[in-house]
Amino acid sequence: DAGITQSPRHKVTETGTPVTLRCHQTENHRYMYWYRQDPGHGLRLIHYSYGVKDTDKGEVSDGYSVSRSKTEDFLLTLESATSSQTSVYFCAIKRTENYGYTFGSGTRLTVV
Amino acid sequence: DQQVKQNSPSLSVQEGRISILNCDYTNSMFDYFLWYKKYPAEGPTFLISISSIKDKNEDGRFTVFLNKSAKHLSLHIVPSQPGDSAVYFCAATYYGGSQGNLIFGKGTKLSVKP
Repeated sequence: DAGITQSPRHKVTETGTPVTLRCHQTENHRYMYWYRQDPGHGLRLIHYSYGVKDTDKGEVSDGYSVSRSKTEDFLLTLESATSSQTSVYFCAIKRTENYGYTFGSGTRLTVV
Repeated sequence: DQQVKQNSPSLSVQEGRISILNCDYTNSMFDYFLWYKKYPAEGPTFLISISSIKDKNEDGRFTVFLNKSAKHLSLHIVPSQPGDSAVYFCAATYYGGSQGNLIFGKGTKLSVKP
């Protein structure tokens, strides 16, 4: 579809270890987002980016950092993973034509 | 506080009947609303949207209705099919607000029974 890929698709990590999730797009969209999806909470925004090196926090940013050094890549880092960060993480890009987002297929992260 | 609310976590409908999914919002600044559909193990996909200058938008079996005075929108699926079984998210945004970021509801899981 929009050429947005997330890696890895699945990851199991231990508490206290750093983890980086990658989102890659091929269409040069300015806005990129990281969401987490949890039962009973829906989709919650972690961080977003509105350009290279331009990022801002979402509603659940504690414990997460992001970087965007190139238009096509948006990285989400858990500096020291905790069990509460076990979740499914979605990356998204914003299409300017209709405000809509296109989502990646998700990364299922389990912190043990 | 939730700005976009989907108060029904789940909905079960018989195949061929109408499915009505509801969404309420609190921010009167919202001027654009969207519905997304999500299957298990996949990312959400855009379904249909509506601008606040309209009260209805139709796309095939899917129709979204907007009642601005009640701050309420609904998604109608007619006729419902088993393939419509998914989680549906309502989302809202407004021009000039928070970089135009979408605010999502918690979702409603629709089950369409054959």
